[in-house]
Amino acid sequence: GAGVSQTPSNKVTEKGKYVELRCDPISGHTALYWYRQSLGQGPEFLIYFQGTGAADDSGLPNDRFFAVRPEGSVSTLKIQRTERGDSAVYLCASSPRAGGPGNEQFFGPGTRLTVL
Amino acid sequence: GDSVTQMEGPVTLSEEAFLTINCTYTATGYPSLFWYVQYPGEGLQLLLKATKADDKGSNKGFEATYRKETTSFHLEKGSVQVSDSAVYFCALSDNAGKSTFGDGTTLTVKP
Repeated sequence: GAGVSQTPSNKVTEKGKYVELRCDPISGHTALYWYRQSLGQGPEFLIYFQGTGAADDSGLPNDRFFAVRPEGSVSTLKIQRTERGDSAVYLCASSPRAGGPGNEQFFGPGTRLTVL
Repeated sequence: GDSVTQMEGPVTLSEEAFLTINCTYTATGYPSLFWYVQYPGEGLQLLLKATKADDKGSNKGFEATYRKETTSFHLEKGSVQVSDSAVYFCALSDNAGKSTFGDGTTLTVKP
């Protein structure tokens, strides 16, 4: 079956602009996670959803970052007033459920965001 | 908060050599532990996992044992192949599924 997909694969924008990054999880997966990966580092947790609600948004760096998942499937990560420091690969992952021992997350290919 | 520390890379080995990549963690509670792998041009994928102390995860000849007393989850393989060249990430997840990753170790295997 289809895996997690993310669009666009690459996004170049100018400082101060608004961007939206989209994630399509595996069908039937109730949990969805967003991570940010800077060069040479591991993925850093941003937010996760259980169904439509954000269960934990403690990783969002500031109020310029916001994510939604209105119908419990597709999610959009929104970044306002982008800064050069926001440049990174944004990863989305989904899992059949949130939590529980050994719960595997299935990752998408990521969106590479470059802020000029 | 939770953290994962991985052996710094890059690591370069000859084919059929023995591989160890060290991973230690700090966590409250009883996390699950994972190794993910990222092959060139591909996304992260699960390599193996362990959910409680003394569990051994294994896959594709790789193994790692959940050591609670040393808070470690070292990755090992007895004989690496060129196709094992990739970036390896150690990670833990809490009961809610929120994951914390190490910074990754790049492995290059030469023929």
